[in-house]
Amino acid sequence: TQLLEQSPQFLSIQEGENLTVYCNSSSVFSSLQWYRQEPGEGPVLLVTVVTGGEVKKLKRLTFQFGDARKDSSLHITAAQPGDTGLYLCAGVGNNYGQNFVFGPGTRLSVLP
Amino acid sequence: GAGVSQSPRYKVAKRGQDVALRCDPISGHVSLFWYQQALGQGPEFLTYFQNEAQLDKSGLPSDRFFAERPEGSVSTLKIQRTQQEDSAVYLCASTVDRGLYEQYFGPGTRLTVT
Repeated sequence: TQLLEQSPQFLSIQEGENLTVYCNSSSVFSSLQWYRQEPGEGPVLLVTVVTGGEVKKLKRLTFQFGDARKDSSLHITAAQPGDTGLYLCAGVGNNYGQNFVFGPGTRLSVLP
Repeated sequence: GAGVSQSPRYKVAKRGQDVALRCDPISGHVSLFWYQQALGQGPEFLTYFQNEAQLDKSGLPSDRFFAERPEGSVSTLKIQRTQQEDSAVYLCASTVDRGLYEQYFGPGTRLTVT
């Protein structure tokens, strides 16, 4: 069974601070996705990383996929209250159905 | 066009009742997924359809759970004889094709079993 762990579980910071959240597994994934979920809504895809060592930047968000494709990180620069939400990583395997394995999420709160 | 819609948004059921949850995927999307999300947790896979074919139902927690997508578009997740442990948000997601992995999620149905 492929499992994903995320840390920290909760994070509360002030507006303008930087932060990094982590997604780790003992399994190798063909790719990894990051989603953000707000209360009462479904997750929304932020990025997909495919290649080991890949780094993708999306405005103030930087995503990195580990060389061994077992872990990933999300770094947010100068966090804003609008970044508040549940950040989920999802590992994409090779078999349909079990393709998407989600981590438990990091709940981020950015205080103004 | 419209995104993924789910109905009802909220459902309260007494233990032992049957419930049916509906998902309308984005028009033309081939693949459809159902997930269960417990409070404070990430989504857990339940089942997957490619068009009308249910290719994987290994995540369904018991034989009380049943899903169908008879015409390859709308899908229904049915839970028979609901139990308190079934209380969760049920999410539906669709993708445009089997080879592409950008899932579009609906808002979910929050099921509370009393």
